[in-house]
Amino acid sequence: NAGVTQTPKFRILKIGQSMTLQCAQDMNHNYMYWYRQDPGMGLKLIYYSVGAGITDKGEVPNGYNVSRSTTEDFPLRLELAAPSQTSVYFCASRNGGGPDTQYFGPGTRLTVL
Amino acid sequence: RKEVEQDPGPFNVPEGATVAFNCTYSNSASQSFFWYRQDCRKEPKLLMSVYSSGNEDGRFTAQLNRASQYISLLIRDSKLSDSATYLCVVNILTGGGNKLTFGTGTQLKVEL
Repeated sequence: NAGVTQTPKFRILKIGQSMTLQCAQDMNHNYMYWYRQDPGMGLKLIYYSVGAGITDKGEVPNGYNVSRSTTEDFPLRLELAAPSQTSVYFCASRNGGGPDTQYFGPGTRLTVL
Repeated sequence: RKEVEQDPGPFNVPEGATVAFNCTYSNSASQSFFWYRQDCRKEPKLLMSVYSSGNEDGRFTAQLNRASQYISLLIRDSKLSDSATYLCVVNILTGGGNKLTFGTGTQLKVEL
């Protein structure tokens, strides 16, 4: 199993541009999550999904959108990128019927200039 | 008050030392507790779950005190490879399902 994969690893955006961060998992987990981590800060939940077709807002959803058309994929969309969105983005997944353990992808480092 | 509070460190300790990290949480409805490890510029990885009875995994011992809303992690015989940031994580069951809340992490540097 590849586990949780994320692309791209790094990206630089200009203010106002948009992009999609990709996340995929091959563990058949029904729960998936998007977090951002700013320097010296804890992870903040952006959006999460408890299954295909179901998404919900986390703690810091403004400026982001998600979709969950399949169990495997959970892309995060940034519209009109702003410098405040410069961060490291982690995707995670969990087996809803199993332990609470979340498995994280390697992260995407995004800089908005 | 932060939901999960940790001393950010850094804790600089010599190889072989014993080091303890503490964490407090504010929501008494918290259900499960974890320590995650995060290496520099890498993703967090589960180190161990924390149970009320206390649990041990090799050189690592985790304790939970629900009455004081306090979690600890003890690392014995520190190795250079233990250098990382240790995240205290609390799981709360909400109407929307399980919600993990992360502390900002405690940085450990093990030195020769």
